Amino acid sequence: DAKTTQPNSMESNEEEPVHLPCNHSTISGTDYIHWYRQLPSQGPEYVIHGLTSNVNNRMASLAIAEDRKSSTLILHRATLRDAAVYYCILRVYHNTDKLIFGTGTRLQVFP
Amino acid sequence: GAVVSQHPSRVICKSGTSVKIECRSLDFQATTMFWYRQFPKQSLMLMATSNEGSKATYEQGVEKDKFLINHASLTLSTLTVTSAHPEDSSFYICSAQTGTGILQPQHFGDGTRLSIL
Repeated sequence: DAKTTQPNSMESNEEEPVHLPCNHSTISGTDYIHWYRQLPSQGPEYVIHGLTSNVNNRMASLAIAEDRKSSTLILHRATLRDAAVYYCILRVYHNTDKLIFGTGTRLQVFP
Repeated sequence: GAVVSQHPSRVICKSGTSVKIECRSLDFQATTMFWYRQFPKQSLMLMATSNEGSKATYEQGVEKDKFLINHASLTLSTLTVTSAHPEDSSFYICSAQTGTGILQPQHFGDGTRLSIL
């Protein structure tokens, strides 16, 4: 399975932007980049996904490098509720529906 | 929309007991559901893929006779941990997709914390 590398943890202050990086140097041309997050004691929730172009939704933005070997999840204004573990996942075309979770980045947000 | 409900949220039982966990898609039909296990401070590990009306597909190393999965309808999948032992204590999470393919997000339940004494 295609792998991703993320920092173990990051910190932010409330109301500040947060840039969560993800490296995926072995990505294939048809692999989609998905982000999920897991709040404490809850199941994960979908955040965003993309293929080549940058993507925006109500939760976050996803910036994808031109060579697609890395991407960055951007939270424009962090809130305390954004404290979670963020997972960057490659959805491998040939594996269709599977989600293979890595270790993720634990984001702490300080008031 | 796309709510997945998991029940119970917490179970504490004695060693040797079998425990059933339900996963329901409340407002959509899910042809595929997934079961994950998560130990403390670790990431989610996919246990099996459950398809409505057919046998589940288990990941390598997961005992299918230990973790029985039934997906009898488009809105319900169950995971039964048979003859549970303390090492089976974990956070069990299910998810469901509204359709097939990698563009469909998975919607997760809030998990079941299983503690075996």
